[in-house]
Amino acid sequence: EVQLVESGGGLVQPGGSLRLSCAASGFTFSGYWMSWVRQAPGKGLEWVANINQDGSAKYCVDSVKGRFTISRDNAKNSLYLQMNSLRAEDTAVYYCARGTTVPQYWGQGTLVTVSS
Amino acid sequence: DIVMTQTPLSSPVTLGQPASISCRSGQSLVHSDGNTYLSWLQQRPGQPPRLLIYKISNRFSGVPDRFSGSGAGTDFTLKISRVEAEDVGVYYCMQATQFPYTFGQGTKLEIK
Repeated sequence: EVQLVESGGGLVQPGGSLRLSCAASGFTFSGYWMSWVRQAPGKGLEWVANINQDGSAKYCVDSVKGRFTISRDNAKNSLYLQMNSLRAEDTAVYYCARGTTVPQYWGQGTLVTVSS
Repeated sequence: DIVMTQTPLSSPVTLGQPASISCRSGQSLVHSDGNTYLSWLQQRPGQPPRLLIYKISNRFSGVPDRFSGSGAGTDFTLKISRVEAEDVGVYYCMQATQFPYTFGQGTKLEIK
């Protein structure tokens, strides 16, 4: 069974940093693109970033460029999102998803709240 | 960025009756590889999104056959042949033809 479990969310002050993790199991992690998608409270979905199988290709949305970095550790079956210079508008539930052009499986999400 | 526009934004439906959601993209979603990366996702209350349909009309594993997708180019439709109580939630179309991938605003399906 495919499982994706996010962690690392929490309350952080504006300008602060957080590192989200996504632990994958039930499939060959190194064989798939992976993605991060976020959802602000009561709002719709926003694609944040994705990364290819070996980490050599990464893409992120303009609103987080220069602040967020996606990475992965295939030996640990884990996906990461390093978030720096956080803003109030980054407050959201962050989901990791397997796949990119076809996001097949999603984790339960981890809530990031940016507030003073 | 490709803008995805869904209609309606809210859809009250009687149990057992059909439902239909439209999604229009601001430009053609045909990728240079010949595929059209248009997906439909369902988000039940309090749950993460779940993939229903990918590449316009392909049902994902475990998705009931009452869900179907159709369309081409810039106009796409999700149909539910007979709505069941478990179908309540918000439905999103999503394009992954051009980065940044974008979603429709969401359509809330509720039971009358």
